[in-house]
Amino acid sequence: AQTVTQSQPEMSVQEAETVTLSCTYDTSESDYYLFWYKQPPSRQMILVIRQEAYKQQNATENRFSVNFQKAAKSFSLKISDSQLGDAAMYFCAYRSGSGGGADGLTFGKGTHLIIQP
Amino acid sequence: SQTIHQWPATLVQPVGSPLSLECTVEGTSNPNLYWYRQAAGRGLQLLFYSVGIGQISSEVPQNLSASRPQDRQFILSSKKLLLSDSGFYLCAWTGLLSSPLHFGNGTRLTVT
Repeated sequence: AQTVTQSQPEMSVQEAETVTLSCTYDTSESDYYLFWYKQPPSRQMILVIRQEAYKQQNATENRFSVNFQKAAKSFSLKISDSQLGDAAMYFCAYRSGSGGGADGLTFGKGTHLIIQP
Repeated sequence: SQTIHQWPATLVQPVGSPLSLECTVEGTSNPNLYWYRQAAGRGLQLLFYSVGIGQISSEVPQNLSASRPQDRQFILSSKKLLLSDSGFYLCAWTGLLSSPLHFGNGTRLTVT
C-alpha cells in the first residue's frame, strides 16, 4: 500500500516570505498523480495544485509551485510571497494511476501553516 | 460545471439518536463518491467509497453505514450515534483516475 508522509506538523513563515512544505511518498507504481490541498479554518478542502508523475515539468499555479523529484519520491510545495490568507492546513495526496481500493487515494497527515504578519 | 452539495452544515445530536447526512453531485455522471471523517486538527479518515449505485465499500468498521440510492447521491447514516462519532464529515467525488477529489463543504457533527 502507498503511504504519504508529511514530516512537518507545523510551519511558520513571515508574511511575504517563501515557505516550502515537504511531502514524501512510498509507491512501487510508475503511473500516479499527486495533489496538494489547502484546508483553511472554514475546513473546506481546496485543491491547490496537481502533478502527473509522467510529467517532468514541475507544476505551477500563481504563487504555488511544486518540486517533484520522482526518483526520490518527493513532492514539496513552495509558496512564494506568503499572504495571511495562506494560513491553513495543507495536505499532500497520492492517487494511483491504476485504481484499486478506494482508487488508491492516500492522504498525508497534514502540515499546519502559520503566517506571521 | 460540476458541483457537490453536502448538508446539513452543522448538526448537534444526542447519543443514541439516528443520523443521516446527504451529499449530491451535479454536472457529471457515474462519479466515484467518498465519505471522509476528520477529527479536530487531524488528517482525513476514509469511511466509505462507492463506484456505482448500490456499490459501497467500507474502510473502517463502525456503527456508520452508507448508501447510494441514485447515481449522484451518497448518504451517510447511523441508527444510534456514539460520542465518538463527533467530528467533521466530508463528502467528495472524482471522475477519471487523473482527476483530483472534489470536496463538499463538510458537516460538523457534535454528539452530546
